[in-house]
Parts: sequence; C-alpha cells; structure tokens
Amino acid sequence: EVQLVESGGVVVQPGGSLRLSCAASGFTFNDYTMHWVRQVPGKGLERVSLITWDGGYTFYADSVKGRFTISRDNSKNSLYLQMNRLRSEDSALYFCVRERGRLVDHWGQGTPVIVSS
Amino acid sequence: EIVMTQSPATLSVSPGERATLSCRASQSVGSTLAWYQQKIGQAPRLLIYGASTRATGVPARFSGRGSGTEFTLTISSLQYEDFAVYYCQQYNDWPMYTFGQGTKLEI
Repeated sequence: EVQLVESGGVVVQPGGSLRLSCAASGFTFNDYTMHWVRQVPGKGLERVSLITWDGGYTFYADSVKGRFTISRDNSKNSLYLQMNRLRSEDSALYFCVRERGRLVDHWGQGTPVIVSS
Repeated sequence: EIVMTQSPATLSVSPGERATLSCRASQSVGSTLAWYQQKIGQAPRLLIYGASTRATGVPARFSGRGSGTEFTLTISSLQYEDFAVYYCQQYNDWPMYTFGQGTKLEI
C-alpha cells in the first residue's frame, strides 16, 4: 500500500524558515516524480513544486520561486521542501503527492503550515 | 496557464439521486483530465483519470465523460459517503497542471 506521511508543519513567524519532510513507503520511491501541493483551508488546490525521480529537474510555482527548494533523498525514501522567507499567504495544508505518468495519483494526509506573528 | 472552471460551486441533492458535475478548460486538454474527491479532514482521492477511466477501487456509480474543453463527472445513485468536494484537474500542460476550484456536493 502506498503511504506518504508528511511532517514538519508548525506555526512560524513571517520571514521565517521551515523544512517539510515526506516519508514514502509501499512503492519504489526512486521510480517516481514527487510533488508538493498546498491547500488553504476551505479553498482550492495549488501546485507548489515538483522534482523528478533523480532530482534532475525541479519546478516551482511563481508564488514560491526563489524562496522554496524541493529536494529528495532516494536512499531514505524521503521528499523535502525547504521554505524560506515565509509569508502569511504561504499558510496552508501541504500535501506530499506522487505522480505517475503526469497523473497525481496518491496523496499524503498533509502537514499544516501557519505563518503568523 | 490553463484555467479550469467547475460548476456549480455547490450542488444540493438527495441520497439515491443522480448528480452531474461540470468542468470546463480554458483551452483544449484532450483527455488529460482527472477528478478527485475530498472529504472533510482527508486528502484528495483520485477517482477518474483520462477523463473516463475509474481509478482502482472506485465504484461503478462514478463515471466521467468529455474531451477537449468540456467534462462531466456523474454519480448515478448518490450514497451518503459521496457527499464531499470534487475537483477536476488538467495534466495536459505539464508541469503547469491546474485544478478547478471545486464543487461541493451536499445533502
């Protein structure tokens, strides 16, 4: 069974930094492109970033470009999102997501990030 | 960026009734359209991909149709567990995939 378990979400002050982690199991992690998708409570879904299986290609939404960095450690079956210079509009539930052939097919339960003073 | 527009925003129906949700793309996405179901406090769950293919374990009462810019998700006979928010997503324009704003299905 595919499992994605996010962690690292907390309350942080504007301008602060945070690192999210995602532990993957139940599939061959290094075969898949992985994503971070976020959702403001009661709102829709927004793609944040993705990284290919080998880390050779990364993509960022314009809203986070230059502030967030996605990475992975295939030896640990783990995905990360380093979030710097956080803003109030970054407050959301962050999901770790697996992609299969361009299709987002499995989601973690999410970890909440609250940016507030 | 391809904009996905869902309608209606909220759909009120009764258990046992049929529900039809719509999704429109601002430009053609072929058949690269997925539907997700999200219940309160849960992660989205993939229901339909390729516009009409049910994901593993999805009941046959869920069906998807459409291509190009117009898509529908139909739930033939609503069960209580189907009341949730449904999102469409295009993945034709990778990595610039986009989601609709969601349709809330309520009793």
